[in-house]
Amino acid sequence: NAGVTQTPKFQVLKTGQSMTLQCAQDMNHEYMSWYRQDPGMGLRLIHYSVGAGITDQGEVPNGYNVSRSTTEDFPLRLLSAAPSQTSVYFCASRRGGGSYEQYFGPGTRLTVT
Amino acid sequence: KQEVTQIPAALSVPEGENLVLNCSFTDSAIYNLQWFRQDPGKGLTSLLLIQSSQREQTSGRLNASLDKSSGRSTLYIAASQPGDSATYLCAVVSNDYKLSFGAGTTVTVRA
Repeated sequence: NAGVTQTPKFQVLKTGQSMTLQCAQDMNHEYMSWYRQDPGMGLRLIHYSVGAGITDQGEVPNGYNVSRSTTEDFPLRLLSAAPSQTSVYFCASRRGGGSYEQYFGPGTRLTVT
Repeated sequence: KQEVTQIPAALSVPEGENLVLNCSFTDSAIYNLQWFRQDPGKGLTSLLLIQSSQREQTSGRLNASLDKSSGRSTLYIAASQPGDSATYLCAVVSNDYKLSFGAGTTVTVRA
């Protein structure tokens, strides 16, 4: 059981470039989400999905797109990178409903220059 | 909108002292509360999950309490060790199923 995996671990982009952060889980979890973590601000929800084919916006969705074509995968796309998107990105998953433990991936550290 | 606050932001204690970390949240309509540990440059490790119907949860030297009506949770770490040095994050799942995080308490245990 690999749990939640994320690739890449580190990435440097130039302003205006686009890229996709990959996230996969092998626990058959319905709920998946993306967070960004910035110093002193805790983790903030970017986008989430309650199941394949269903996505919704979180607290800070601007500049990011997501899709959920399978239960296992939930990629996060940066459309046109900006320095304000320099952050650490975490993907998480859990079973459906609100009562279950959330599992996190190891994170992707992104720098936009 | 759920707001989660953790006080203090940082804490330094000598080895062997008990740690008390506080978490408060504004909306008491929650499903559960989860405590995480994060080491520098690493991901989040789940420590304890307390369901909204529970008052406390224990794992080894860790004990977490939940007072949903007052919007508070406390994480106790007994007999602290240098290996307990990390940032501890509190997060709540609200009725909209979203997880809201506090900014964390950074703990340093001095040998």
